[in-house]
Amino acid sequence: DIVMTQSPDSLAVSLGERATINCKSSQSILYTPFNKNYLGWYQQKPGQPPKLLIYWTSTRESGVPDRFSGSGSGTDFTLTISSLQAEDVAIYYCQQYYSAPQTFGQGTKVEIK
Amino acid sequence: EVQLSESGGGLVQRGGSLRLSCAASGFTFSSYAMSWVRQAPGKGLEWVSAISGSGVSAYNADSVKGRFTISRDNSKNTLYLQMDSLRAEDTALYFCAKNRGNSCYSGLDYWGQGTLVTVSS
Repeated sequence: DIVMTQSPDSLAVSLGERATINCKSSQSILYTPFNKNYLGWYQQKPGQPPKLLIYWTSTRESGVPDRFSGSGSGTDFTLTISSLQAEDVAIYYCQQYYSAPQTFGQGTKVEIK
Repeated sequence: EVQLSESGGGLVQRGGSLRLSCAASGFTFSSYAMSWVRQAPGKGLEWVSAISGSGVSAYNADSVKGRFTISRDNSKNTLYLQMDSLRAEDTALYFCAKNRGNSCYSGLDYWGQGTLVTVSS
């Protein structure tokens, strides 16, 4: 099974500052025939289901603000919130859908400093 | 508007069974893979199962293999999760989610509100 490890487990960022979350997979999730990394990022607020923010590593889902961006390839990936807003307080998860069982990272809690 | 509505959760004794349902609307159900993801109280997300749009391909997490069965009825726009031999560690909020494409190997773009399963020991 592919293990997804996020870092840090939590972070506190001032409003308007950058937040960076890392996600590392235990093996490559790059499917070379398609040149796609099978990775998504989700945001979950208390009492709500997760919301897809980013798929294929860097493609923003429709309606997601452009302050959210994803990058990386192979085994190392990053979610960046360029200017943290109050409504971004949430837990963020990465997920690999390269192979079954598909797996999520343990989550990163983002708070306001 | 895409809507997913789970039902069938509840309190069950260890070793018992439950069948979860997820009623879908707002999209061509048979054209999309569907998944189940669970979240134990206060914990992170755990992928459980996925099934292709046609229902031909299905996959399960190791933790539920041999006990849970995912299926779908495209004529009823409904996804199911048959859960047998339930254990205390299966206690969780179970989410139904729509995959972005017909393949199970895609992100999950719409989620239901979840149905709570509690297994008592």
